[in-house]
Amino acid sequence: NAGVMQNPRHLVRRRGQEARLRCSPMKGHSHVYWYRQLPEEGLKFMVYLQKENIIDESGMPKERFSAEFPKEGPSILRIQQVVRGDSAAYFCASSLRLEQETQYFGPGTRLLVL
Amino acid sequence: AQTVTQSQPEMSVQEAETVTLSCTYDTSESDYYLFWYKQPPSRQMILVIRQEAYKQQNATENRFSVNFQKAAKSFSLKISDSQLGDAAMYFCAYRSFNFGNEKLTFGTGTRLTIIP
Repeated sequence: NAGVMQNPRHLVRRRGQEARLRCSPMKGHSHVYWYRQLPEEGLKFMVYLQKENIIDESGMPKERFSAEFPKEGPSILRIQQVVRGDSAAYFCASSLRLEQETQYFGPGTRLLVL
Repeated sequence: AQTVTQSQPEMSVQEAETVTLSCTYDTSESDYYLFWYKQPPSRQMILVIRQEAYKQQNATENRFSVNFQKAAKSFSLKISDSQLGDAAMYFCAYRSFNFGNEKLTFGTGTRLTIIP
């Protein structure tokens, strides 16, 4: 009964590089959410995806950030040309989506941009 | 847009005592969900308790219970018989009942310290 899996757990990138964060939802869950937590702050919603569809991306920065959840495989959050301000913890959550199900969180990926 | 406010950045409690963490929210919706999540030093987000707004009865989970006051838009968390393992950041969160608006809106958190 594996929970939400995220990898890598820690990621170090230099400014200008690309960061790819992966999230595998709980078994049977088809809805994935990404949140960002800046140091000493609460979590902020970024994007909500179902298989092959982006449902709500109202929290995504307009540039450099993209997300996908393909038919097969994990959800990917991609950050291109990273800057120091992207340093944060990125959390993925999944839900079963039967009525308004609870979101269960993964352990997060800590991104550090040098 | 909904907002969630946690007015206590830090709280402390003696081990085995009871502590209450405050949360207020603002919404124009009548149906919604409220959550308390715990984030220990490992930074894993752990669901503590969930409340449906249409339910009048306050949710309880073992030593954790809530005081949900819908008219006042208040959702406090009570931890009884505090244990060292309860030390963590606690986040209150709101989720709309509406289809397509399932995102969680979090407060800024309360850091709870347990004094042995």
